[in-house]
Amino acid sequence: GDSVTQMEGPVTLSEEAFLTINCTYTATGYPSLFWYVQYPGEGLQLLLKATKADDKGSNKGFEATYRKETTSFHLEKGSVQVSDSAVYFCALHHGQNFVFGPGTRLSVLP
Amino acid sequence: KAGVTQTPRYLIKTRGQQVTLSCSPISGHRSVSWYQQTPGQGLQFLFEYFSETQRNKGNFPGRFSGRQFSNSRSEMNVSTLELGDSALYLCASSGSRGKNTEAFFGQGTRLTVV
Repeated sequence: GDSVTQMEGPVTLSEEAFLTINCTYTATGYPSLFWYVQYPGEGLQLLLKATKADDKGSNKGFEATYRKETTSFHLEKGSVQVSDSAVYFCALHHGQNFVFGPGTRLSVLP
Repeated sequence: KAGVTQTPRYLIKTRGQQVTLSCSPISGHRSVSWYQQTPGQGLQFLFEYFSETQRNKGNFPGRFSGRQFSNSRSEMNVSTLELGDSALYLCASSGSRGKNTEAFFGQGTRLTVV
């Protein structure tokens, strides 16, 4: 079945550091890919998405590119802030339901 | 516009009891999906309802059930609760179905089974 693998962390960075969270997927067909973020005590919020190969999703300084050849959708941000501390979930959707990765906890220190 | 509302936010139940959780989707959204989030298993899909019909179901036992009303509000029910049912239950609403659809999640209901 479909699956999503991502680095589980936790990832600890200093403010203004560069962030990469790796995500790879296994799926039949051509799913859409998403990054969701979960702040403490909250539900999931959509961060960005890409619906086809080579699409780049971007939002709030975060970016991810849909790479079909490497089945990857790595999340990057050039300069993280303390407010980015949260759990990040990579997910795919193939038309029926989301399949989520295990989540990566990010802590950004001032 | 108002987001996805889940009630209650917190619940404590005893093993063997049953529980009903409620989800009110964003106005105009007809698709409601439910997910279970646990530290060990992560986020797992329970079921999806669209226009009052269950369209898709995850790999959970029959103790987990749900329904959707004509106003798109949805409930999920868990009977004969087990300790392992302790989790954050998240509801997501979408304006349509399909792989490009953006889902909006509620804050969840945290269920603790003792």
